[in-house]
Amino acid sequence: DQQVKQNSPSLSVQEGRISILNCDYTNSMFDYFLWYKKYPAEGPTFLISISSIKDKNEDGRFTVFLNKSAKHLSLHIVPSQPGDSAVYFCAASAPHNAGNMLTFGGGTRLMVKP
Amino acid sequence: EPEVTQTPSHQVTQMGQEVILRCVPISNHLYFYWYRQILGQKVEFLVSFYNNEISEKSEIFDDQFSVERPDGSNFTLKIRSTKLEDSAMYFCASSEDYTDTQYFGPGTRLTVL
Repeated sequence: DQQVKQNSPSLSVQEGRISILNCDYTNSMFDYFLWYKKYPAEGPTFLISISSIKDKNEDGRFTVFLNKSAKHLSLHIVPSQPGDSAVYFCAASAPHNAGNMLTFGGGTRLMVKP
Repeated sequence: EPEVTQTPSHQVTQMGQEVILRCVPISNHLYFYWYRQILGQKVEFLVSFYNNEISEKSEIFDDQFSVERPDGSNFTLKIRSTKLEDSAMYFCASSEDYTDTQYFGPGTRLTVL
């Protein structure tokens, strides 16, 4: 099941620069997208979300962009900080279906170098 | 800040034994979920629960699994007869409303020997 894909397993960025994490999806029923950050031995921590009626949502250093026609979303982190080093998961849901299950991508490990 | 808690953090069990994983969702949340992540794989949805009923379950959530809200605060996942392939991190999540963001607990690492 590859409904949500993160094609880059890892990304290395210098502190202060922009980190761009990408995510693609195939299910056109998805209408709500989320990014979670995960440290080892911890649960996913919610970062930012976007509804399909928008194409951009911003929260501090984090911005999520949604391109519905391309079925693609991205997370921009500016400026990147060493504490941002973690695994980032995108997730999608189709809340109009019962249960509101999230479908996760495989994750991208971000390493921010000081 | 309210958070989802899970106990135990690590559970080791013998194959064929029953395990119960416990979660305390955020207090004003009404929707509860279980997910799991096998080492090196994606986070996978298991089940969602609302108003004392299962809303949706995945193919993984077979008859070996059950969920319960035994009181006003706990939400449990029971695996009746564990298999080696049940070894994974199990995450509980909750959300305030049907379409709201799901907040995850720290997880329980289940090791089946």
